[in-house]
Amino acid sequence: AQSVSQHNHHVILSEAASLELGCNYSYGGTVNLFWYVQYPGQHLQLLLKYFSGDPLVKGIKGFEAEFIKSKFSFNLRKPSVQWSDTAEYFCAVNAVLEGNEKLTFGTGTRLTIIP
Amino acid sequence: DAGVIQSPRHEVTEMGQEVTLRCKPISGHDYLFWYRQTMMRGLELLIYFNNNVPIDDSGMPEDRFSAKMPNASFSTLKIQPSEPRDSAVYFCASSSWGGEKLFFGSGTQLSVL
Repeated sequence: AQSVSQHNHHVILSEAASLELGCNYSYGGTVNLFWYVQYPGQHLQLLLKYFSGDPLVKGIKGFEAEFIKSKFSFNLRKPSVQWSDTAEYFCAVNAVLEGNEKLTFGTGTRLTIIP
Repeated sequence: DAGVIQSPRHEVTEMGQEVTLRCKPISGHDYLFWYRQTMMRGLELLIYFNNNVPIDDSGMPEDRFSAKMPNASFSTLKIQPSEPRDSAVYFCASSSWGGEKLFFGSGTQLSVL
C-alpha cells in the first residue's frame, strides 16, 4: 500500500521568502501525485497534480512541484510567498495499478507567512 | 452546483452517544470518500464508495464506525458508541473519477466529551 511523508509539520516564513515543502511517497509502482491546500476556514482544494509527462508541474497561485522518481519525492515550491499563502498543505498519492481510486494523504504542513 | 454539503458543521456530544454525520456529494459524481483529520495523523481515509457500493473500508477504525450510501445523493457516517478519541474533523469528498480530483465538503468538527 502507498504512504506519504511530509516531514515539515510547521513552517514559518516572511513574505517574499522562497518556499519548499517536502513530500516523499512510498510505493514501488506508477503513481499520480497531488498537492492540496486548506486555507483558514475553507475546505481542501486541489493546488496541482502530476500524472505523467513533464515532471515539473505548475499549479495555481504561482506554485509548482517537481516529481523526482529516483527520490520518490514531489516537493512543492514557490519562489516568493505572500501572506495569503498561509494555509495547510497536503501531499497525496494514488497508485495507478491499484485503480487510481484511493487517495492517500500525508499528515500536512502548516505554513505561516509573517507580513 | 453547491459543492459537497456536510452536516452538521459542529457536533458536541458525550461519550457513549451515537453520532451521525451526513454528506451530500456533487451531483453526477460516482465516488464518495470519508476522511478524518487529526493533528497527529493528518488526513486518514476511512472508507470510500463507488456507485453507492463500499469499495474499501480498511481505514475504518473499529466496529463502532459504520458508513452507508443508500443512494447517489446521500451518505452517512455513524459512530456508536462515541468515545473522546473520536474527536476530529470528518470530511466528505466526492469525485467523478476515482482519486483524480476530489471536491471536499467543509467538514464536521466532532467533539466527544
